[in-house]
Amino acid sequence: GQSLEQPSEVTAVEGAIVQINCTYQTSGFYGLSWYQQHDGGAPTFLSYNALDGLEETGRFSSFLSRSDSYGYLLLQELQMKDSASYFCAVSGTYKYIFGTGTRLKVLA
Amino acid sequence: EAGVAQSPRYKIIEKRQSVAFWCNPISGHATLYWYQQILGQGPKLLIQFQNNGVVDDSQLPKDRFSAERLKGVDSTLKIQPAKLEDSAVYLCASSLESVMNTEAFFGQGTRLTVV
Repeated sequence: GQSLEQPSEVTAVEGAIVQINCTYQTSGFYGLSWYQQHDGGAPTFLSYNALDGLEETGRFSSFLSRSDSYGYLLLQELQMKDSASYFCAVSGTYKYIFGTGTRLKVLA
Repeated sequence: EAGVAQSPRYKIIEKRQSVAFWCNPISGHATLYWYQQILGQGPKLLIQFQNNGVVDDSQLPKDRFSAERLKGVDSTLKIQPAKLEDSAVYLCASSLESVMNTEAFFGQGTRLTVV
């Protein structure tokens, strides 16, 4: 079967750095994606890792370790607008499965 | 480029009634997904189409849910009869590829309330 685990909630202050972890079990793994979803909104794509290592896109970075079935999303210089839910998603053979989500609260 | 279109945005029905949702994916996207998202949870894949064929419907409650994608473009998801636990947001998404799904584009969803 397939499963993904994320922390349910993370809290941090403005300007801080926060890391959201994701561990997964799947067959036919192709890559790990991250999505952001604000309350009442649709999930929007943030990043995709197919190979081991760190991918950086502005304030957001994503890391993947295929051997450990583990990845994380790193958010730097946190802003209030980053308060949202963050989902990891696994791309497998003919499947695209989402984790349970991590709710990030950014405090002033 | 137009995004994924869904309708209606909101729907309130009584239990045991029927309801249908419509989705128009991004032009050229072969893969279409329907997800159910219950408040506070992650999107749960209900069904995935590659063109007009089903590649995964293992989590679709087939006794009450049905979906079709005629001509490999638009799709409809139907619930008949609805139960209280079907209250959720139904998200449609599409992507270019099916084997290597690198990015899915989501519609705004249909918020269903069953009373």
